[in-house]
Amino acid sequence: EAGVVQSPRYKIIEKKQPVAFWCNPISGHNTLYWYRQNLGQGPELLIRYENEEAVDDSQLPKDRFSAERLKGVDSTLKIQPAELGDSAVYLCASSLDTSLVAEQFFGPGTRLTVL
Amino acid sequence: AQSVTQLDSQVPVFEEAPVELRCNYSSSVSVYLFWYVQYPNQGLQLLLKYLSGSTLVKGINGFEAEFNKSQTSFHLRKPSVHISDTAEYFCAVRRYNFNKFYFGSGTKLNVKP
Repeated sequence: EAGVVQSPRYKIIEKKQPVAFWCNPISGHNTLYWYRQNLGQGPELLIRYENEEAVDDSQLPKDRFSAERLKGVDSTLKIQPAELGDSAVYLCASSLDTSLVAEQFFGPGTRLTVL
Repeated sequence: AQSVTQLDSQVPVFEEAPVELRCNYSSSVSVYLFWYVQYPNQGLQLLLKYLSGSTLVKGINGFEAEFNKSQTSFHLRKPSVHISDTAEYFCAVRRYNFNKFYFGSGTKLNVKP
């Protein structure tokens, strides 16, 4: 069974440019998470979807970040415009549901460098 | 609010030696506790979790952790490490009634031959 797929794996852009990350969760997983992992730190939740509904986006900087999960499957995270401080690894994870027994499976991440 | 402290950013250890990675948390409510491992260029993988019951939890790859409520700790241990255990390890907490994980800053375990 394929795991969580993310693309691209690496992205280098100049500040003020837009960027988008794509995530394909494990088939059948209703819950999808986007995390940001800054260098030397643990992941921090940006947004959580249950099916196509964003149920927790309290940590998403809404002035420049947006996300969508059309049809409750794939998801896209966008930054426009990017700032130097957005350089980080963006992780996508999915789980069957939100119960405790439902393990989160993480993708390999997209490493963003903003110059 | 919850916070997770991993006291050691890096832990060097020789192969076949025991290791303990420390994790302390603070929370005003009861929490569930997790350890994840991240190998280079890979996503996080669940090692073990404490939900309830026995305070000693066994996970994959020979790792175990002990929940100590009085000390608000959840230290990860392995009696004999292998080169393949070289990775970064993250401790995380989740509140009883809220599906949000708070991760520590990670501990890089470097196993030397």
